[in-house]
Amino acid sequence: DAKTTQPPSMDCAEGRAANLPCNHSTISGNEYVYWYRQIHSQGPQYIIHGLKNNETNEMASLIITEDRKSSTLILPHATLRDTAVYYCIVRVTPLQGGSEKLVFGKGTKLTVNP
Amino acid sequence: EAQVTQNPRYLITVTGKKLTVTCSQNMNHEYMSWYRQDPGLGLRQIYYSMNVEVTDKGDVPEGYKVSRKEKRNFPLILESPSPNQTSLYFCASSGLARDGGAQYFGPGTRLTVL
Repeated sequence: DAKTTQPPSMDCAEGRAANLPCNHSTISGNEYVYWYRQIHSQGPQYIIHGLKNNETNEMASLIITEDRKSSTLILPHATLRDTAVYYCIVRVTPLQGGSEKLVFGKGTKLTVNP
Repeated sequence: EAQVTQNPRYLITVTGKKLTVTCSQNMNHEYMSWYRQDPGLGLRQIYYSMNVEVTDKGDVPEGYKVSRKEKRNFPLILESPSPNQTSLYFCASSGLARDGGAQYFGPGTRLTVL
């Protein structure tokens, strides 16, 4: 079972920041937070991951609370092409004895409106 | 370009007619996996492979076979397809011994079994 809780849907205006929350209150100390998205039946796409520090890449920023029980994915300037289902996943990395398997929950359906 | 390819992208077949869905990656990844995606059930892992000649069952392996004779290829075989195997299938790959990192997904194969 997925160990995360996400709102089923969110809306965002084009050009504005999209902030997608995720609760993972039972996260263990060695579990990373990953974000993937799936654009209408395409293959899921990796966005970003982090352990406890905030992370940023060319696609998004990941903010993890100090107690690590929740996180927020930020798309700084959402476009129509960011409309997708966003999945928050927690897992132990293979380096730390975890597996490569991703357990997808239901995710958040983000709709970016013009 | 780094990618995972799947063929065919769409397939309609009849019950009992053996079929193979091919998956190939050009990133020299050790790990490869097959998922199926069904409405309301999300993505579920079928089989995975940690390296050449090493395969193992995922969560829903019944009715499927896989092989990993070469690092780059991981075909999914349905010996006797049935209508309950109608689904959207994704192949994925990732490198091991990294800091978590990205799992790359193929574009998907939509299979209909009549």
